[in-house]
Amino acid sequence: KAGVTQTPRYLIKTRGQQVTLSCSPISGHRSVSWYQQTPGQGLQFLFEYFSETQRNKGNFPGRFSGRQFSNSRSEMNVSTLELGDSALYLCASSLVATTYGEKLFFGSGTQLSVL
Amino acid sequence: DQQVKQNSPSLSVQEGRISILNCDYTNSMFDYFLWYKKYPAEGPTFLISISSIKDKNEDGRFTVFLNKSAKHLSLHIVPSQPGDSAVYFCSPAGGTSYGKLTFGQGTILTVHP
Repeated sequence: KAGVTQTPRYLIKTRGQQVTLSCSPISGHRSVSWYQQTPGQGLQFLFEYFSETQRNKGNFPGRFSGRQFSNSRSEMNVSTLELGDSALYLCASSLVATTYGEKLFFGSGTQLSVL
Repeated sequence: DQQVKQNSPSLSVQEGRISILNCDYTNSMFDYFLWYKKYPAEGPTFLISISSIKDKNEDGRFTVFLNKSAKHLSLHIVPSQPGDSAVYFCSPAGGTSYGKLTFGQGTILTVHP
């Protein structure tokens, strides 16, 4: 069974641009969540989608958005990029992401550098 | 608000010895606690979890202990191996935390051969 696939692996953008990152979950998984990892803030939750609906959202500005398609694939978008958006963006999938400690499976991430 | 704290940024142990990683939390309402391990430039991988109704869960070399009165959990790795060298994160889960893990700052474990 293929794992969580994130594309692209690396991305370089300049301030003010926008970027779209893609995530393909494990087959059969319906929940996709996104995380940002930076050296200063650690791993922070961005949002979670299930059946094309956002169920949970972290404390990030509106420049960060996402969506999920009917095949459970997900994209996240960051508009008007800032230097501080440079980070490793991780996607995770799970079957349904219940509240009962269901484990998440993470992709290898997209390393975004904003110059 | 920091719901989870891992107060030891790093830990260094000798191969074959025990590694003990600690995590403190603030909210008593969590149903589960999970530990993840992360290598550089990779996503975290699930290691072990514990339900809030238990005080211990064991899986091979890994054991997690939960002390609800102290709001503290710890991960024991025995015996430690060089391949265990990674960053370890704890996270609570429960309530409406769909897909949301609230990671602590992590503890860098280094196991020396």
